[in-house]
Amino acid sequence: SAVISQKPSRDICQRGTSLTIQCQVDSQVTMMFWYRQQPGQSLTLIATANQGSEATYESGFVIDKFPISRPNLTFSTLTVSNMSPEDSSIYLCSVVGQGARYTFGSGTRLTVV
Amino acid sequence: ELKVEQNPLFLSMQEGKNYTIYCNYSTTSDRLYWYRQDPGKSLESLFVLLSNGAVKQEGRLMASLDTKARLSTLHITAAVHDLSATYFCAVDSNNAGNMLTFGGGTRLMVKP
Repeated sequence: SAVISQKPSRDICQRGTSLTIQCQVDSQVTMMFWYRQQPGQSLTLIATANQGSEATYESGFVIDKFPISRPNLTFSTLTVSNMSPEDSSIYLCSVVGQGARYTFGSGTRLTVV
Repeated sequence: ELKVEQNPLFLSMQEGKNYTIYCNYSTTSDRLYWYRQDPGKSLESLFVLLSNGAVKQEGRLMASLDTKARLSTLHITAAVHDLSATYFCAVDSNNAGNMLTFGGGTRLMVKP
C-alpha cells in the first residue's frame, strides 16, 4: 500500500486566516482525494485532485474556499481559506492503490478560534 | 446519489458477546470497505470486499458482502475492550477507483 505523509497533524488558527495542508505520497498516483470529518461525524469528500487538471469539487464545496493544488503525481495541497469556527474538522487525504485499497493520511486536526 | 447507511450508530456491549454491524447502500457496487478509527486518529483499513459473497476474517472480526442485497455485515465475535472504536463502511461509487462514500459510522464501546 502507498504511504502518505500528511502535515501539519494539527493546528489552531484564527478566524479569517488560511491554512494549507500537504500530502506527500511515496508512489505516483493518478487521483488524490480530500475528505473532511466534522466532529463526531463521518467523512465527506471535498474534492478529487488529478494531476494536470482542475480539481473536481463535490456539492457544497467550492474552489474559492478550498483551493487544491496537484503539481505532480506524488503531492497535493488543500487550503482552507478565510476560516471560521465551522471549519474546525479533521481533514484527510487519500489515494487508491493496488488491489483497490484506499490509503489515508494521518489527518490534520484543525481548530478555528 | 449513492447513500450508505450503517446501523446501529452506537453500540455498547459486554466483553465476550457477539454482535453484527450492518451497512446498506443504495446503488450497484461490488467494492466495499471497512475501516476502524480510534479517537483523534486516521482510518485503519480492516477489510476490502471486492465481489459478491466475499467473506474475510481477521481475529474477532468477520466481514461479508452481498451485492444483490446491497448489504455488508461486520460481525464481532467474543468482543474485547480493545475493539472499542468507531467503525465505518465505505462504498466505491462506480467500481473505477473513484471516490468512497462513507456510512455514518458505528461507535462501539466494549465494557469489561
